This record gives sequence, structure tokens and C-alpha cells, in this order.
Amino acid sequence: AQRVTQPEKLLSVFKGAPVELKCNYSYSGSPELFWYVQYSRQRLQLLLRHISRESIKGFTADLNKGETSFHLKKPFAQEEDSAMYYCALKGSNYKLTFGKGTLLTVNP
Amino acid sequence: SAVISQKPSRDICQRGTSLTIQCQVDSQVTMMFWYRQQPGQSLTLIATANQGSEATYESGFVIDKFPISRPNLTFSTLTVSNMSPEDSSIYLCSVEHTSPGNTIYFGEGSWLTVV
Repeated sequence: AQRVTQPEKLLSVFKGAPVELKCNYSYSGSPELFWYVQYSRQRLQLLLRHISRESIKGFTADLNKGETSFHLKKPFAQEEDSAMYYCALKGSNYKLTFGKGTLLTVNP
Repeated sequence: SAVISQKPSRDICQRGTSLTIQCQVDSQVTMMFWYRQQPGQSLTLIATANQGSEATYESGFVIDKFPISRPNLTFSTLTVSNMSPEDSSIYLCSVEHTSPGNTIYFGEGSWLTVV
């Protein structure tokens, strides 16, 4: 079975502070990990995928197979980063399993 | 990428009635999925809909309650049958698109409230 855990339901930081949204997964094979973001009143959209190893909007995420983690990081948070963030895992069956999400609030 | 349109975007439904949600994609895709997002909850996969075959339902979801059609590679429907207040949710269509790299995209969702 595949499972994704986001331990923080809410995360609040000040503008300019570093931010880290935690994600741990459980999967017996080689997973694909993703971060999706949902801004207020907008559709769910892909932010990052681990195989791309890219930085989007200043966010990065590294897959750590030893710790089964895929934490999302940004060194300097901006107010426009305030959104709901979902970590998701895709296994060999093509299905996405989502974590419960973390609501990030960046205060001015 | 893929552009996904869902209709209706929002509806208020009477208990005991059924509602069909439509999902249109701007390109041909093999894999289409239907998710449910209950208030304050994460997304849960209802079923996978592939063209030319029966939908595959996840544990806890049955065809009688959530019949799905997939007549072609750009369109699918999900019906929520005999609705009760517990069915009040956002229902999302998503597709797997090969460009770039088998990414899964989501529609805006259909927000159903059952009264």
C-alpha cells in the first residue's frame, strides 16, 4: 500500500523567513513524488516533481529514499506563497495518493 | 500540458437526486481519474476511467453510486447517484498527460452541496 504523511496541518511563517513543508511516504517500490499547490479559489496545480530536480517559484524538494521523505523548502517565503500544499505519490499503478495537505500562511 | 474543463462548477442538489458531472480535455489522453475532496479533507481517488473499458473503482466506491462513462479520449462523466448530504464534496477530474513526463493535471472541480 502507498501512503503519504504530511504531519503539519497548518504552518505559519513571516515573510522572508525560510519555510519547510514536511512530507514522508510509504511505498515498497520506486515512487514518483510530487508537490501540488492550491491557491485560494484556484485549481490544484503541479508545483514540483522529484524527477525534474528543478526549482519552481524558489521552491525545491529533494527525495531522500533513506528517510522516505520529500520535504518542500524555500529559503525566503513570500506572501504570495500562502496556499494549501499537497504532497503526492504515484506508484506503478499510475494512481496518485495525496497527503492531507499543509496550509501555509506567510505573514507580512 | 492539458486544459481540463468541468461542468457544473457548483450546484446545490436535493437529497435523493442524481447529478452528472462532465469533464472535457483539450487533448487526447489515455488515463482519466475522478477524485473526491470532502470539506477540510485531502483528495481521495474514486475511480480510474479508461476509454473502451469499465472504470476501475477504489475501495469504498461502487459503480451503482458513482457510474462513470468514458466514450472517447477527451471526455468523461461521473454521476453521483441518489445523493445524501454526505456526498457534499468537491469532485475533481484529472488526466495523465504525456507532456511533460506523464504529469497529472486537474480540473477546477465541481462543488456539490446536497440539501
